[in-house]
Amino acid sequence: QVQLKESGPGLMQPSETLSLTCTVSGFSLTSNGVGWVRQPLGKGLVWMGTIWAGGSTNYNSAVQSRLSISRDTSKSQVFLKMNSLQPEDTGTYYCARHNSGYGFDYWGQGVMVTVSS
Amino acid sequence: DTVLTQSPALAVSPGERVTISCRASESVSTLMHWYQQKPGQQPTLLIYLASNLESGVPARFSGSGSGTDFTLTIDPVEADDTATYYCQQSWNDPTFGGGTKLELK
Repeated sequence: QVQLKESGPGLMQPSETLSLTCTVSGFSLTSNGVGWVRQPLGKGLVWMGTIWAGGSTNYNSAVQSRLSISRDTSKSQVFLKMNSLQPEDTGTYYCARHNSGYGFDYWGQGVMVTVSS
Repeated sequence: DTVLTQSPALAVSPGERVTISCRASESVSTLMHWYQQKPGQQPTLLIYLASNLESGVPARFSGSGSGTDFTLTIDPVEADDTATYYCQQSWNDPTFGGGTKLELK
């Protein structure tokens, strides 16, 4: 069945670079996109960016200058890297399967990231 | 960015019918989707493309609308439906509504 699982450090310092991995199973990254969605504690959902089946990417303009999404199709993994972290980047980061024009149909359990000195 | 506006909260009794609305700042055709998020859990897709029920979702859930006005209906509401519901558009870069917290009386 389709599964996604996020992994990465839970605590980061301001100005550091966040690296998260989304490991997927049950579908191919060359046939489906994967997006990242952030949720600050107690708040709503914010799309960060997506890597599409063909390998192209789209980013939320609010974080575009700091964000990079890439993948390793041989390992079924998608990577998020975001630099210059600030406390407001604190939240739960989800990866989810995402195809153009459609919603996010499968989600990982999320990984909580805290940015604090 | 397309802004999606939802009412922040609703309270209904089990067995009643509830409608949750979402208004877009510009037309998104039928490229609207609905999610349910229970406390401490990831969101799950309920409705895609405005009115299509995702596989495995109970038929008590339905969606309607096009253009700028959309509705998620739950009929009848059950205790397990306590959650926050989000709309999301895919007409352009994805945006989510602020969420509607559904509480049962």
